[in-house]
Amino acid sequence: QVQLVQSGAEVKKPGASVKVSCKASGYTFTSHDINWVRRATGQGLEWMGWMNPISGNTGYAQKFQGRVSMTSNTAISTAYMELNSLTSEDTAVYYCARSMVRGSRTLDRFDPWGQGTLVTVSS
Amino acid sequence: QSVLTQPPSASGTPGQRVTISCSGSSSNIGSNTANWYQQLPGTAPKLLIYNYDQRPSGVPDRFSGSKSGTSASLAISGLQSEDEADYYCASWDDSLNGRVFGGGTKLTVL
Repeated sequence: QVQLVQSGAEVKKPGASVKVSCKASGYTFTSHDINWVRRATGQGLEWMGWMNPISGNTGYAQKFQGRVSMTSNTAISTAYMELNSLTSEDTAVYYCARSMVRGSRTLDRFDPWGQGTLVTVSS
Repeated sequence: QSVLTQPPSASGTPGQRVTISCSGSSSNIGSNTANWYQQLPGTAPKLLIYNYDQRPSGVPDRFSGSKSGTSASLAISGLQSEDEADYYCASWDDSLNGRVFGGGTKLTVL
């Protein structure tokens, strides 16, 4: 079955960086974009951006421009999200999610989602 | 402050019908499709409705979606205890050139 499996929980100090991985299985990794979404405690879902595994093209939410990098290794069907200059406000569960519609952001939806990776930023 | 506005909470008793609204604008729901996601406690979000009113395979027909102008709605009929979850609407916003989510609605089954 189609599955996205993410790396384990991380604890980071303010100012540090974190890199979360998302390993895909059950489908052709290069045929679908990967999105990253986070949810801080007590908050709602927040979209961070998307990445095309074939071209390496990316699109980031304005809030994260200059601080986030989304990449992939097609040989091992794994996507990565790296977030720099962490603050306590970045403490959240980070999810990867597969795009269902390539070539149309307006029609796209996310299915499935990874299980989530808790990133805690604390001094 | 979310671009898409949802009520923070909703509730109903088993068997009832509940509706959750999602208010947007001409740059998102008014011109682009809306999707709904269900997040059960301690789990990852799951696609519930796409293209305003389409159900993915495996989603019960108790769940339905609709659109009116710049708003979308999710209806749950025959409410069950396992429907207790957070529900999020989402769309693409042309002005922000990004995907936007509603703030989420916590559904309680009394």
